[in-house]
Amino acid sequence: AQRVTQPEKLLSVFKGAPVELKCNYSYSGSPELFWYVQYSRQRLQLLLRHISRESIKGFTADLNKGETSFHLKKPFAQEEDSAMYYCAPFPLNTGTASKLTFGTGTRLQVTL
Amino acid sequence: EAQVTQNPRYLITVTGKKLTVTCSQNMNHEYMSWYRQDPGLGLRQIYYSMNVEVTDKGDVPEGYKVSRKEKRNFPLILESPSPNQTSLYFCASSLWTTDTQYFGPGTRLTVL
Repeated sequence: AQRVTQPEKLLSVFKGAPVELKCNYSYSGSPELFWYVQYSRQRLQLLLRHISRESIKGFTADLNKGETSFHLKKPFAQEEDSAMYYCAPFPLNTGTASKLTFGTGTRLQVTL
Repeated sequence: EAQVTQNPRYLITVTGKKLTVTCSQNMNHEYMSWYRQDPGLGLRQIYYSMNVEVTDKGDVPEGYKVSRKEKRNFPLILESPSPNQTSLYFCASSLWTTDTQYFGPGTRLTVL
């Protein structure tokens, strides 16, 4: 069964500190990997997608196939990064490729 | 403007009173789905649709129905709502299953 783990429900960091939001997944085959963000009272939106290799708002995410992880990182946190972050590895070429599973989310709180 | 819309945005109802939440997208997307968002549980997929007249269960389908008679619309139906269906609901669409998901603004449902 597909499993997505975001071990931290809340991550609190100081402004300017590095950020790492963890995501581990268990799938057979290679998933398509996404991070979505939800700012306060807004809809979810795409933050970054692994295949595009873009860095959005200073965030990057490295795929570690050996550990099946896709952690989200930013070297210097900003107040406007405070939001809910969801990891979303979507399976490719499996029998349940149509069903999508998101992680449980990590709330990032950036304080002064 | 490319977007996903949902109506109503807020709804308070009583147990057993049938309701429908509408979802519409103007991007000619094939894939549409419904999620519920609950604290500590993240986003969980309720139902999805890969195309017109093709729908299937997500992870938490009990108590919900959907239909996809037109490509742009994907309503969520609660035939007999119960208090445990009090939640924040999001509709999403994408070009295909594992492409970027575009989310609606959310519908906050309270069942008394």
